[in-house]
Amino acid sequence: GAVVSQHPSRVICKSGTSVKIECRSLDFQATTMFWYRQFPKQSLMLMATSNEGSKATYEQGVEKDKFLINHASLTLSTLTVTSAHPEDSSFYICSAEIWTSGGAGDTQYFGPGTRLTVL
Amino acid sequence: RKEVEQDPGPFNVPEGATVAFNCTYSNSASQSFFWYRQDCRKEPKLLMSVYSSGNEDGRFTAQLNRASQYISLLIRDSKLSDSATYLCVVEDTDKLIFGTGTRLQVFP
Repeated sequence: GAVVSQHPSRVICKSGTSVKIECRSLDFQATTMFWYRQFPKQSLMLMATSNEGSKATYEQGVEKDKFLINHASLTLSTLTVTSAHPEDSSFYICSAEIWTSGGAGDTQYFGPGTRLTVL
Repeated sequence: RKEVEQDPGPFNVPEGATVAFNCTYSNSASQSFFWYRQDCRKEPKLLMSVYSSGNEDGRFTAQLNRASQYISLLIRDSKLSDSATYLCVVEDTDKLIFGTGTRLQVFP
Protein backbone atom coordinates (compact mmCIF):
# COMPACT_ATOMS: atom_id res chain seq x y z
CA GLY A 1 0.00 0.00 0.00
CA ALA A 2 0.95 3.62 -0.44
CA VAL A 3 3.24 5.02 2.23
CA VAL A 4 4.23 8.60 2.90
CA SER A 5 7.14 9.38 5.18
CA GLN A 6 8.26 12.59 6.81
CA HIS A 7 11.66 13.48 8.13
CA PRO A 8 12.48 14.45 10.74
CA SER A 9 9.69 13.25 12.99
CA ARG A 10 10.68 15.72 15.64
CA VAL A 11 12.92 18.77 15.66
CA ILE A 12 13.86 21.32 18.27
CA CYS A 13 15.62 24.46 17.14
CA LYS A 14 16.57 27.91 18.33
CA SER A 15 14.64 30.97 17.32
CA GLY A 16 15.93 32.45 14.09
CA THR A 17 17.12 29.23 12.53
CA SER A 18 15.62 27.54 9.48
CA VAL A 19 14.22 24.05 9.52
CA LYS A 20 13.62 21.79 6.56
CA ILE A 21 10.98 19.05 6.63
CA GLU A 22 10.89 16.38 3.96
CA CYS A 23 7.83 14.55 2.71
CA ARG A 24 8.36 11.48 0.58
CA SER A 25 6.00 9.11 -1.18
CA LEU A 26 7.82 5.82 -0.80
CA ASP A 27 6.17 3.55 -3.30
CA PHE A 28 4.27 5.79 -5.64
CA GLN A 29 4.65 8.99 -7.56
CA ALA A 30 2.64 11.97 -6.46
CA THR A 31 2.22 14.95 -8.71
CA THR A 32 0.50 16.81 -5.90
CA MET A 33 1.41 17.03 -2.24
CA PHE A 34 -0.21 19.06 0.49
CA TRP A 35 1.17 20.65 3.63
CA TYR A 36 -0.95 21.06 6.75
CA ARG A 37 -0.40 22.54 10.14
CA GLN A 38 -2.20 21.16 13.14
CA PHE A 39 -3.67 23.49 15.69
CA PRO A 40 -4.86 22.64 19.20
CA LYS A 41 -8.02 20.60 19.54
CA GLN A 42 -7.09 18.59 16.48
CA SER A 43 -7.95 21.09 13.79
CA LEU A 44 -5.84 21.14 10.65
CA MET A 45 -5.04 24.07 8.44
CA LEU A 46 -4.09 23.60 4.81
CA MET A 47 -0.99 25.68 4.23
CA ALA A 48 -0.19 25.01 0.62
CA THR A 49 -0.60 22.72 -2.35
CA SER A 50 2.64 21.61 -3.93
CA ASN A 51 2.85 20.48 -7.54
CA GLU A 52 5.91 18.81 -8.98
CA GLY A 53 7.94 21.16 -11.10
CA SER A 54 5.92 24.27 -10.38
CA LYS A 55 5.45 26.83 -7.66
CA ALA A 56 3.35 25.92 -4.67
CA THR A 57 -0.08 27.44 -4.20
CA TYR A 58 -0.38 28.98 -0.76
CA GLU A 59 -3.57 29.40 1.18
CA GLN A 60 -4.60 32.85 2.26
CA GLY A 61 -2.72 34.02 5.29
CA VAL A 62 0.25 31.69 4.83
CA GLU A 63 3.50 33.57 4.20
CA LYS A 64 5.18 32.04 1.19
CA ASP A 65 8.53 33.64 2.05
CA LYS A 66 8.46 32.12 5.49
CA PHE A 67 7.25 28.67 4.53
CA LEU A 68 9.26 27.71 1.47
CA ILE A 69 7.99 24.71 -0.43
CA ASN A 70 9.94 22.84 -3.05
CA HIS A 71 8.54 19.89 -4.96
CA ALA A 72 11.66 18.72 -6.68
CA SER A 73 10.49 15.32 -7.85
CA LEU A 74 7.42 13.14 -8.02
CA THR A 75 8.34 11.57 -4.71
CA LEU A 76 9.69 14.47 -2.65
CA SER A 77 8.36 17.77 -1.37
CA THR A 78 10.12 19.88 1.23
CA LEU A 79 8.83 22.55 3.57
CA THR A 80 11.40 24.95 4.97
CA VAL A 81 10.38 27.11 7.90
CA THR A 82 12.69 30.09 7.63
CA SER A 83 13.75 32.18 10.60
CA ALA A 84 11.59 30.11 12.88
CA HIS A 85 9.98 31.68 15.94
CA PRO A 86 8.28 30.09 18.92
CA GLU A 87 4.85 30.76 17.40
CA ASP A 88 5.84 28.46 14.52
CA SER A 89 6.00 25.57 16.95
CA SER A 90 3.42 23.10 15.76
CA PHE A 91 2.80 19.73 14.18
CA TYR A 92 3.28 19.78 10.41
CA ILE A 93 1.67 17.07 8.30
CA CYS A 94 2.07 16.39 4.61
CA SER A 95 -0.04 14.29 2.30
CA ALA A 96 0.52 12.94 -1.18
CA GLU A 97 -2.20 12.51 -3.75
CA ILE A 98 -2.57 9.57 -6.08
CA TRP A 99 -5.26 8.56 -8.50
CA THR A 100 -6.86 5.32 -7.34
CA SER A 101 -8.62 3.10 -9.84
CA GLY A 102 -11.92 1.41 -9.09
CA GLY A 103 -13.92 4.56 -8.58
CA ALA A 104 -12.22 5.89 -5.49
CA GLY A 105 -10.65 8.71 -7.48
CA ASP A 106 -7.98 10.90 -5.92
CA THR A 107 -6.77 9.59 -2.60
CA GLN A 108 -4.56 11.44 -0.17
CA TYR A 109 -2.08 9.49 1.89
CA PHE A 110 -0.92 11.29 4.98
CA GLY A 111 2.54 11.35 6.44
CA PRO A 112 3.16 10.75 10.15
CA GLY A 113 3.85 14.40 10.81
CA THR A 114 6.76 16.43 12.14
CA ARG A 115 6.72 18.04 15.57
CA LEU A 116 8.56 21.37 15.46
CA THR A 117 9.51 23.10 18.67
CA VAL A 118 11.17 26.49 18.44
CA LEU A 119 12.87 27.67 21.60
CA ARG B 1 -0.08 -4.13 8.79
CA LYS B 2 -1.00 -0.50 8.34
CA GLU B 3 -1.45 1.50 11.51
CA VAL B 4 -4.92 2.63 10.51
CA GLU B 5 -6.93 0.82 7.85
CA GLN B 6 -10.12 1.80 6.11
CA ASP B 7 -12.08 0.55 3.12
CA PRO B 8 -11.46 3.23 0.47
CA GLY B 9 -14.90 2.80 -1.05
CA PRO B 10 -16.52 4.49 -2.80
CA PHE B 11 -19.81 4.02 -1.09
CA ASN B 12 -22.59 5.19 -3.36
CA VAL B 13 -25.86 5.56 -1.46
CA PRO B 14 -29.20 7.26 -2.14
CA GLU B 15 -30.40 10.18 -0.08
CA GLY B 16 -31.98 9.05 3.14
CA ALA B 17 -29.93 5.86 3.39
CA THR B 18 -27.97 4.76 6.41
CA VAL B 19 -24.32 4.04 5.81
CA ALA B 20 -21.58 2.73 8.08
CA PHE B 21 -17.82 3.01 7.83
CA ASN B 22 -15.34 0.88 9.70
CA CYS B 23 -11.74 1.40 10.65
CA THR B 24 -9.17 -0.79 12.38
CA TYR B 25 -6.01 0.32 14.15
CA SER B 26 -2.93 -1.63 15.07
CA ASN B 27 -1.62 -0.02 18.24
CA SER B 28 -3.56 -1.30 21.20
CA ALA B 29 -2.11 1.50 23.34
CA SER B 30 -3.78 4.22 21.28
CA GLN B 31 -5.88 6.46 23.45
CA SER B 32 -7.73 8.92 21.28
CA PHE B 33 -9.75 8.41 18.15
CA PHE B 34 -11.46 10.72 15.73
CA TRP B 35 -13.43 10.89 12.54
CA TYR B 36 -12.54 13.69 10.14
CA ARG B 37 -14.41 14.75 7.05
CA GLN B 38 -12.47 15.89 4.00
CA ASP B 39 -13.96 17.56 0.96
CA CYS B 40 -12.04 17.39 -2.30
CA ARG B 41 -8.63 19.03 -1.84
CA LYS B 42 -9.66 20.81 1.33
CA GLU B 43 -8.19 20.30 4.75
CA PRO B 44 -9.72 17.54 6.81
CA LYS B 45 -12.11 18.89 9.41
CA LEU B 46 -12.80 17.24 12.71
CA LEU B 47 -16.22 15.62 12.57
CA MET B 48 -16.29 14.01 15.97
CA SER B 49 -14.18 12.38 18.60
CA VAL B 50 -14.85 8.75 19.39
CA TYR B 51 -15.37 7.69 22.99
CA SER B 52 -15.41 4.23 24.49
CA SER B 53 -19.03 4.56 25.43
CA GLY B 54 -20.00 5.55 21.93
CA ASN B 55 -21.25 8.98 21.07
CA GLU B 56 -23.82 10.56 18.86
CA ASP B 57 -24.02 13.95 17.19
CA GLY B 58 -27.23 14.40 15.26
CA ARG B 59 -27.27 11.92 12.42
CA PHE B 60 -23.76 10.72 13.18
CA THR B 61 -22.89 7.96 15.63
CA ALA B 62 -19.36 6.84 16.44
CA GLN B 63 -18.42 3.66 18.22
CA LEU B 64 -15.14 2.34 19.60
CA ASN B 65 -14.37 -1.31 20.30
CA ARG B 66 -11.03 -1.46 22.07
CA ALA B 67 -10.96 -5.25 22.28
CA SER B 68 -11.20 -5.55 18.52
CA GLN B 69 -9.31 -2.30 17.86
CA TYR B 70 -12.13 -1.15 15.69
CA ILE B 71 -13.88 2.18 15.18
CA SER B 72 -17.09 2.83 13.30
CA LEU B 73 -19.06 5.77 12.01
CA LEU B 74 -22.75 5.51 11.23
CA ILE B 75 -24.53 8.17 9.18
CA ARG B 76 -28.31 8.10 9.21
CA ASP B 77 -30.64 9.82 6.76
CA SER B 78 -27.82 10.63 4.35
CA LYS B 79 -27.86 14.04 2.70
CA LEU B 80 -26.30 15.08 -0.58
CA SER B 81 -24.03 17.34 1.44
CA ASP B 82 -22.61 14.32 3.27
CA SER B 83 -20.68 13.40 0.11
CA ALA B 84 -17.04 13.57 1.11
CA THR B 85 -14.15 11.42 2.27
CA TYR B 86 -14.29 10.28 5.89
CA LEU B 87 -10.95 9.79 7.57
CA CYS B 88 -10.38 7.63 10.60
CA VAL B 89 -7.68 9.17 12.78
CA VAL B 90 -5.86 7.68 15.75
CA GLU B 91 -3.72 9.64 18.14
CA ASP B 92 -0.50 8.01 19.30
CA THR B 93 1.51 9.89 21.88
CA ASP B 94 1.41 13.35 20.36
CA LYS B 95 0.83 12.64 16.71
CA LEU B 96 -2.16 11.92 14.53
CA ILE B 97 -2.20 8.89 12.29
CA PHE B 98 -4.60 9.15 9.39
CA GLY B 99 -6.32 6.37 7.54
CA THR B 100 -6.61 6.75 3.81
CA GLY B 101 -10.26 7.61 4.09
CA THR B 102 -13.53 6.19 2.83
CA ARG B 103 -15.20 8.04 0.01
CA LEU B 104 -18.96 8.56 0.28
CA GLN B 105 -21.13 9.68 -2.60
CA VAL B 106 -24.79 10.38 -1.85
CA PHE B 107 -27.02 10.57 -4.91
CA PRO B 108 -30.55 12.01 -5.28
